Amino acid sequence: AQSVAQPEDQVNVAEGNPLTVKCTYSVSGNPYLFWYVQYPNRGLQFLLKYITGDNLVKGSYGFEAEFNKSQTSFHLKKPSALVSDSALYFCAVRDYNDYKLSFGAGTTVTVRA
Amino acid sequence: EAQVTQNPRYLITVTGKKLTVTCSQNMNHEYMSWYRQDPGLGLRQIYYSMNVEVTDKGDVPEGYKVSRKEKRNFPLILESPSPNQTSLYFCASSLKGGNNQPQHFGDGTRLSIL
Repeated sequence: AQSVAQPEDQVNVAEGNPLTVKCTYSVSGNPYLFWYVQYPNRGLQFLLKYITGDNLVKGSYGFEAEFNKSQTSFHLKKPSALVSDSALYFCAVRDYNDYKLSFGAGTTVTVRA
Repeated sequence: EAQVTQNPRYLITVTGKKLTVTCSQNMNHEYMSWYRQDPGLGLRQIYYSMNVEVTDKGDVPEGYKVSRKEKRNFPLILESPSPNQTSLYFCASSLKGGNNQPQHFGDGTRLSIL
C-alpha cells in the first residue's frame, strides 16, 4: 500500500522569508511524486513532479522540491514567499507500476505581509 | 481552452435520490479519475479509467459507480446517496503516457446529502 504524510496542518511565514512544506511517502516500489496547489473554490493545480534523475526538481511559480530517497521525503520549498502563495498544498505519490494516486491531507500555507 | 468541466458545481439533495455528476475534458486525455476531498483527509481516489470502457476502483469506491463510454466523458453516479457522501468531488484527467503524467483538475462539485 502507498501513503503520503504531510505532518504540518498549517505553515505560517512572513513575506520574503523561505517557505518549506514537508512531505514523506511510502511505496513498495519506486515513487512518482507530485505537488499540487489549491486556491479557494478551485481545483488543484500542478506545481511539479519527480520521476527520476536530479533530486532537485524545479516547478511553477518559483517552487522547487527535493527528493530524498533515504528519508523518503519530498519537501516543497520556495526561497522567498509571496502573499499570493497563501493556499492549500498537497503532496501525492504513485508507485511506478500503479495508476492509483494517493494524496496527503494537505498543508495550509499562510504568508503574511 | 484546455479544461475539465464538472456539473453541477453545487447540489443539495436528499438520501436515496439518484444523482449523476458529469465530467468532460477537451484535451483528448486517456486517463480520467474521480476524487473526494474531506477536511483532514486530503483527496481520496474513488474510481479511475485508463481508457474507454476501462475502469478500476480507487481507495473509496463503495456507494459510487462510473462509466466511460466516450473518451471525453466520465460521469460519477450515486445510485442511492447517503449523508456520508456529503463531500467536495473533483474530476481529473491526464495523458496516459506512463503513470508519471500530472493531472488536470476540474473546479469541483460540492454535494450535500440531507
